[in-house]
Amino acid sequence: GQQVMQIPQYQHVQEGEDFTTYCNSSTTLSNIQWYKQRPGGHPVFLIQLVKSGEVKKQKRLTFQFGEAKKNSSLHITATQTTDVGTYFCAGQEMRGSARQLTFGSGTQLTVLP
Amino acid sequence: GAVVSQHPSRVICKSGTSVKIECRSLDFQATTMFWYRQFPKQSLMLMATSNEGSKATYEQGVEKDKFLINHASLTLSTLTVTSAHPEDSSFYICSANPVSSYEQYFGPGTRLTVT
Repeated sequence: GQQVMQIPQYQHVQEGEDFTTYCNSSTTLSNIQWYKQRPGGHPVFLIQLVKSGEVKKQKRLTFQFGEAKKNSSLHITATQTTDVGTYFCAGQEMRGSARQLTFGSGTQLTVLP
Repeated sequence: GAVVSQHPSRVICKSGTSVKIECRSLDFQATTMFWYRQFPKQSLMLMATSNEGSKATYEQGVEKDKFLINHASLTLSTLTVTSAHPEDSSFYICSANPVSSYEQYFGPGTRLTVT
């Protein structure tokens, strides 16, 4: 079955430093999504990438989808304490009519003030 | 945006009892809902896909007789953990996506503790 790997598992940065998390799928994806989960909370949708080589930006967050649609990255510029949380990538494939997500293992980001 | 609710948010039960968790899409219809399980500091593991009006599709290794799923309407799916054991203690999260959207909206989750 599909596997989605994500690195690093943990990242501690000083406030103001940059942060990147990487995601690799064992299979070609129809699209990839990114979610953020705050401690004690539930995953919240950040963005979806569909096209090969797509790059999207949300303020200080930059998302990339690889040319082969098997890898993706999330880069945060100048981290802030509000960026703390676990970032998950999730690859989506179609099984019949259902849109199932396979989550990566997540990267837990700690931002030190 | 779309809202998904889950009830209860926390439940503590004794070993051997059954617990029902409800997942509702509040402002959209969902023919499909998903049930995940998350252990502390781990990722979300898809347990099953709940299909309105038909049987759920379970992921490999998930016991369908232990985790009963019912999707009786376009806005409600339930997960019943039967004969719960301490190893079933976990964070259970449901999600749903509107028909025209790829985005999955997650419920707030249910923390189950089996004593």
